[in-house]
Parts: sequence; structure tokens; C-alpha cells
Amino acid sequence: GAVVSQHPSRVICKSGTSVKIECRSLDFQATTMFWYRQFPKQSLMLMATSNEGSKATYEQGVEKDKFLINHASLTLSTLTVTSAHPEDSSFYICSARTVADTQYFGPGTRLTVL
Amino acid sequence: GQQVMQIPQYQHVQEGEDFTTYCNSSTTLSNIQWYKQRPGGHPVFLIQLVKSGEVKKQKRLTFQFGEAKKNSSLHITATQTTDVGTYFCADSGSARQLTFGSGTQLTVLP
Repeated sequence: GAVVSQHPSRVICKSGTSVKIECRSLDFQATTMFWYRQFPKQSLMLMATSNEGSKATYEQGVEKDKFLINHASLTLSTLTVTSAHPEDSSFYICSARTVADTQYFGPGTRLTVL
Repeated sequence: GQQVMQIPQYQHVQEGEDFTTYCNSSTTLSNIQWYKQRPGGHPVFLIQLVKSGEVKKQKRLTFQFGEAKKNSSLHITATQTTDVGTYFCADSGSARQLTFGSGTQLTVLP
């Protein structure tokens, strides 16, 4: 199946710093990528839809100025958590959609904000 | 908004026993996708159901889509320890975004 990578897999940062997470589709082009957040023992919550060449669409309650998304190419989307705070600590997962409408998920990035 | 509920939230079974998780929606589902997430891992796509009443099998896994397209189920026959994980259903929705169910965490006791 299709492969999606995420980098970094784990990051620990101080409160107030910004963290960038990369999501890449390795063997296919993805016009649409999605960013999810998952808290322990909970389901995945969609944060935003990232479209190549246009602005991301954010879900209700997600601050677009805090979670900056850039879909630079058909194989790369980045999520930047700006001025991170401890409550932003979570598991962030991206997915990329294929032309067959299947979503393949990246391995996730575990963010810990001290 | 749409809510996709799954029951049970947790299930412990003895190895060799069967397991079923149910997915129910307050609105008609577009397409149902099922994912498995191992502890510490990411969701892995299992299958997609599109048609009303559809039944698909993958070895010991049987997936069903309700006639009214408001529910779906995943049944595992003779569970193995490798089946451990959380199983999520997800509706692909009209906007082709995934709305995930609450998940069922399966523990298989050897």
C-alpha cells in the first residue's frame, strides 16, 4: 500500500516555542492531506484539511493562527504548532488521500510541551 | 453535527473467542471505512464498504454495512493475540473527510 511518512516522530519542546511537523506521501501524489490530533485513549479528531496550492480548511474550534498548515507540493504538507503550550501536547497524525479515496496515515508525531 | 458511535468501548476476550464491534450513526453514512490502530501506532486502513447491506470478508474478519446505511459491524472469528488494538470505523462523508467513531479497544488474553 501507499506510504506516508511523518517527521519528527517525537518532539519535546519548551512552552512558547514553535514546532514544525512534516507529512510526506512517498510513493504517490496527494492533492489533499489531513491533520488529526489524538489524545490518549480517544479517537482521532480532524483538525484541518490541507489542499495543495490553496489555504487549509480548519475544523470548528481549531485556531488557524496557532496551527499553521502549508501544503507546499503534491507530496508535502507541514503543520506548525506556534507558541506551543502544555495543553497542545498530543499525538498528531497526518493522512494523505489517494485518487481511490483511501486515506493512508503517517506514523504520527508525539508532541510533549514542557 | 454527525456523530459516529461505537460499542463497546472496551472488550476483553480470551484467545480463540469471537469479537464484534458495532458502529452506529445518527445520520446516513456515505461510505464506511474500518481502521486498526495498534498501541502506540497509527491507524491502518482495513476496508471500505460502499453499498447498503454489503458484506466483505478478510480471512477471520467480516465487515457488514447495514441496509439503511446507518450502522456497520466488524466481527473477528477466533481472535488471536495479534488482533490486539483499537478498531475504528469512519464515515468518509460528503466532503470526503473522515469522521471517526469513538473506537473499540480490544484486548486478547492468551
